[in-house]
Amino acid sequence: AQSVAQPEDQVNVAEGNPLTVKCTYSVSGNPYLFWYVQYPNRGLQFLLKYITGDNLVKGSYGFEAEFNKSQTSFHLKKPSALVSDSALYFCAVRDWADTGRRALTFGSGTRLQVQP
Amino acid sequence: ETGVTQTPRHLVMGMTNKKSLKCEQHLGHNAMYWYKQSAKKPLELMFVYNFKEQTENNSVPSRFSPECPNSSHLFLHLHTLQPEDSALYLCASSQGAGTGEETQYFGPGTRLLVL
Repeated sequence: AQSVAQPEDQVNVAEGNPLTVKCTYSVSGNPYLFWYVQYPNRGLQFLLKYITGDNLVKGSYGFEAEFNKSQTSFHLKKPSALVSDSALYFCAVRDWADTGRRALTFGSGTRLQVQP
Repeated sequence: ETGVTQTPRHLVMGMTNKKSLKCEQHLGHNAMYWYKQSAKKPLELMFVYNFKEQTENNSVPSRFSPECPNSSHLFLHLHTLQPEDSALYLCASSQGAGTGEETQYFGPGTRLLVL
């Protein structure tokens, strides 16, 4: 079975400051990990993913995420937050070992609020 | 924007109505998905289709009936819904052999309200 946890319902950060949105996962095998962002009244928009290789993954809009196998984490980061980054962020996981299933398991989401 | 469109964007229906949600992807993908997004709950996978064949059904009640006539179109037929079915219904598509690393691209969703 696969699961993902986003421990913070909301993260508040001032514009220009670094931001971190936390995600931890649980899988039987090795994970494929994804981050998506959702703006109001919109669908989910893909930001980045970790498949294999370099633990630091760079994605859209200046976001990056670091895969940490020992801590089973995949935290989303950005060096300098923008007000326009305010949105709902979802972490998702798929287990390598869960062959034949395409489904992603999503976390409950973290609302990021960037204050001017 | 993502190449996945959904219609209608908003839908209000009574519990005795029959309606359908439509999804179309313009990305040449082979797999399509229905998800349900309710307030305060994680996204719930409902159905997965690969090359028009249903490959996953996540124990969805029979009042939701999916249809996939081809790899570009996906429908969700609704009948005798309950108020707790009110949610945002998201369609997604992906391309790949089902090995797990493919990215899913989402449509904007249909906001459904059941009265």
